[in-house]
Amino acid sequence: EVQLVESGGGLVQPGGSLRLSCAASGFTVSNNYMTWVRQAPGKGLEWVSIIYSGGSTYYADSVKGRFTISRDSSKNTLYLQINSLRAEDTAVYYCASINGGATVHWGQGTLVTVSS
Amino acid sequence: QPVLTQSSSASASLGSSVKLTCTLSSGHSSYIIAWHQQQPGKAPRYLMKLEDSGSYNKGSGVPDRFSGSSSGADRYLTISNLQSEDEAEYYCETWDSNTRVFGGGTKLTVL
Repeated sequence: EVQLVESGGGLVQPGGSLRLSCAASGFTVSNNYMTWVRQAPGKGLEWVSIIYSGGSTYYADSVKGRFTISRDSSKNTLYLQINSLRAEDTAVYYCASINGGATVHWGQGTLVTVSS
Repeated sequence: QPVLTQSSSASASLGSSVKLTCTLSSGHSSYIIAWHQQQPGKAPRYLMKLEDSGSYNKGSGVPDRFSGSSSGADRYLTISNLQSEDEAEYYCETWDSNTRVFGGGTKLTVL
């Protein structure tokens, strides 16, 4: 059974940093396309970043230059390093796996709150 | 890149059917989309992948009451025999040129 478990969220001051983790089981992260999607309180889903099985990475314009997606094959874990945090980055961050183009498996999410 | 447009809300009675619409922007009418359901306080759940032909592939465990269809730039999600647990936000998603896009979501109320 595919399972994705995020961690690393919390309260951080503007300008601060966090590293989100997504531990996967039931499949191999490095063999799949993986993505991060966020949802601000009361708002819709917003795509954040993707890493392809070959290692190429892409980002939404709103986070480019501040966020970095990566993975650790030995830990079968996906990461999102988020720097220079702003109030508008406050959201639940979901990791997900992609199959046949579509986002198919979702984690339960981890909440990031940016506030002084 | 494509834009997905959804109505903000819809409602239907328990046991009836409802058809939700996701419209692709001009020039993107052939794109494949995915439908996701998000019940209150929960993570999104993948429902199906839907092609421009109307062919769809559902996720594991998605009830037969959920089906998809297409017409031009419109992609539809039909839910039959509505149940109380179908009250949720429904999002469509597509992808292109290393970006992914979500529609704004439709909040479905079951009366």
